[in-house]
Amino acid sequence: GAVVSQHPSRVICKSGTSVKIECRSLDFQATTMFWYRQFPKQSLMLMATSNEGSKATYEQGVEKDKFLINHASLTLSTLTVTSAHPEDSSFYICSAWTGKGSGNTIYFGEGSWLTVV
Amino acid sequence: DAKTTQPTSMDCAEGRAANLPCNHSTISGNEYVYWYRQIHSQGPQYIIHGLKNNETNEMASLIITEDRKSSTLILPHATLRDTAVYYCIVRGNQAGTALIFGKGTTLSVSS
Repeated sequence: GAVVSQHPSRVICKSGTSVKIECRSLDFQATTMFWYRQFPKQSLMLMATSNEGSKATYEQGVEKDKFLINHASLTLSTLTVTSAHPEDSSFYICSAWTGKGSGNTIYFGEGSWLTVV
Repeated sequence: DAKTTQPTSMDCAEGRAANLPCNHSTISGNEYVYWYRQIHSQGPQYIIHGLKNNETNEMASLIITEDRKSSTLILPHATLRDTAVYYCIVRGNQAGTALIFGKGTTLSVSS
């Protein structure tokens, strides 16, 4: 299947700092990418939908000024957690849609563990 | 998006077929049934998807009832590495439509 890669896989940052997570589609162009957050023993929660070249659409309750999403190219989307706090510690996962002509499937990255200390 | 109902957990002996059911009684005509699984601390892995016909790939088979109100994911010969949370998700075909995850079924495969 198609490959989606996230970097970094694990990151520890100090409270108050910002951290950026990258999501790349390695072998296909993704006009649409999605960002999720997952807390321990819970299911994935959709944070936002990102379309290349336009502003992301955030789910209700997700602060757009805190979770900055940029989708500047067809193969790269980034999530920046600004002014991180310990409660932002979580597993962040991105996914990308392959498009109707490529099996109409969504593939996920490996996920990024964020720990804010 | 239509919601799905799955059993919370299932057990399966190694080497036997694992049959995971999913109810999606409110599915609409243009919505697909997707199956993903998540092994602990990893991103979800795509398994299979279908619209109304049964589908098979190297990982699994997907059986969709004629009225499309339910489906079954079949892992023909379960192994210990198939232990994971399995998610059945209904999704429309539009580009901006995300996968919305429920709680899924925790499948435990034992020797």
